[in-house]
Amino acid sequence: NAGVTQTPKFQVLKTGQSMTLQCAQDMNHEYMSWYRQDPGMGLRLIHYSVGAGITDQGEVPNGYNVSRSTTEDFPLRLLSAAPSQTSVYFCASSPTGSGANVLTFGAGSRLTVL
Amino acid sequence: AQRVTQPEKLLSVFKGAPVELKCNYSYSGSPELFWYVQYSRQRLQLLLRHISRESIKGFTADLNKGETSFHLKKPFAQEEDSAMYYCALSVSEGSEKLVFGKGTKLTVNP
Repeated sequence: NAGVTQTPKFQVLKTGQSMTLQCAQDMNHEYMSWYRQDPGMGLRLIHYSVGAGITDQGEVPNGYNVSRSTTEDFPLRLLSAAPSQTSVYFCASSPTGSGANVLTFGAGSRLTVL
Repeated sequence: AQRVTQPEKLLSVFKGAPVELKCNYSYSGSPELFWYVQYSRQRLQLLLRHISRESIKGFTADLNKGETSFHLKKPFAQEEDSAMYYCALSVSEGSEKLVFGKGTKLTVNP
């Protein structure tokens, strides 16, 4: 039982490049989400999904795309990276219904955009 | 709009001293509140939730609806309590979406 797995752990991009942060969970959780963590800003919700085929925007969605084709996977795409997207990204999942709100987090992906 | 405020970015105490990490929220409905913790080189994890009314690792937190607060307390801090603490609010009843505060970094000195 691996929990929530994020790849890569570290990535350096140049402005304008694209990339995908991968997130997979093996707990059969319906809910998955992406947060970014910035110094002094706490954790801010980027996008979330309540099940396969369903996604929605969080607090800071601009510059990011997501899709949810399976229950297990929830990739985060940066189409044209900007220095403002330099951050640590966390994927988190939880069951719905009873046990909802108890997020299981991945280890994080540190992204630097030059 | 829902908001969580943690007024202290940094908090430093000595081992054995009491510690209180403050959390205030704004929410018009019935709140669900949580404390998450991130120890050095570890993942963010749930510490406690108000509906459980538990004491975890000696920490307790009481929801005060009158003062819209959910402060985290421990009577005798330990060095291993040093970590980043986040207060979080569920944006609607039973919702998985959480709004986090900006976090408080607690350092417990020997």
